[in-house]
Amino acid sequence: QVQLVQSGAEVKKPGSWVRVSCRVSGGPFSETVSWVRQAPGQGLEWVGRIIPIPGITNYAQKFQGRVTISADTATGTAYLDVASLTSDDTAMYFCARDNPTGSYVWGQGTLVTVSS
Amino acid sequence: SYELTQPPSLSVSPGQTARISCSGDVLSNRYAYWYQQRPGQAPVLLIYKDTLRPSGIPGRFSGSNSGTTVTLTIAEVQADDEADYYCQSVDNSLSYAVVFGGGTTLTVL
Repeated sequence: QVQLVQSGAEVKKPGSWVRVSCRVSGGPFSETVSWVRQAPGQGLEWVGRIIPIPGITNYAQKFQGRVTISADTATGTAYLDVASLTSDDTAMYFCARDNPTGSYVWGQGTLVTVSS
Repeated sequence: SYELTQPPSLSVSPGQTARISCSGDVLSNRYAYWYQQRPGQAPVLLIYKDTLRPSGIPGRFSGSNSGTTVTLTIAEVQADDEADYYCQSVDNSLSYAVVFGGGTTLTVL
């Protein structure tokens, strides 16, 4: 059974950067991993995705240049780096495993709080 | 930009049928997916490729497509169905960027 386990909550200062990890277990690390965020009281917002092998990434236009998604195939872990943090980046960040049926497994979420 | 439009809220009584719509031009040639999100939890996939149900999802949940509008139907609504529901698709660009609807909060009276 595929499971996604994310790293713990983070508190960051404005202007800094954050890394959120997502470890995939119980299945091959070849399917797409997407990142989705949800600001407090708001809807879901797609950030981007990675196909771990061969490492192809796509990003939502609003995050281009500020977000980097990567993957370590040796450990089965995907990463989301967000730079130049502002209070607008305060959100729950989810990773999800994708296949043609959709985002069928989700991580538990990682709360990132940006505050001075 | 590619947008998906959902009603912000819907209220139904237990045992009734809830229908949640999602409209957008991309839906005329892209599949839609539906997710349920209960408070404090991660989303759960309910419907994929417009009408198909993953294993483990009750038959009370169904999806339909009529051109640029897709609909999630929840029959015999239960108190446990109270949640936020999101439609999702991809845009028409080569990158297949994912688009979410704004979400619909279902209240069971």
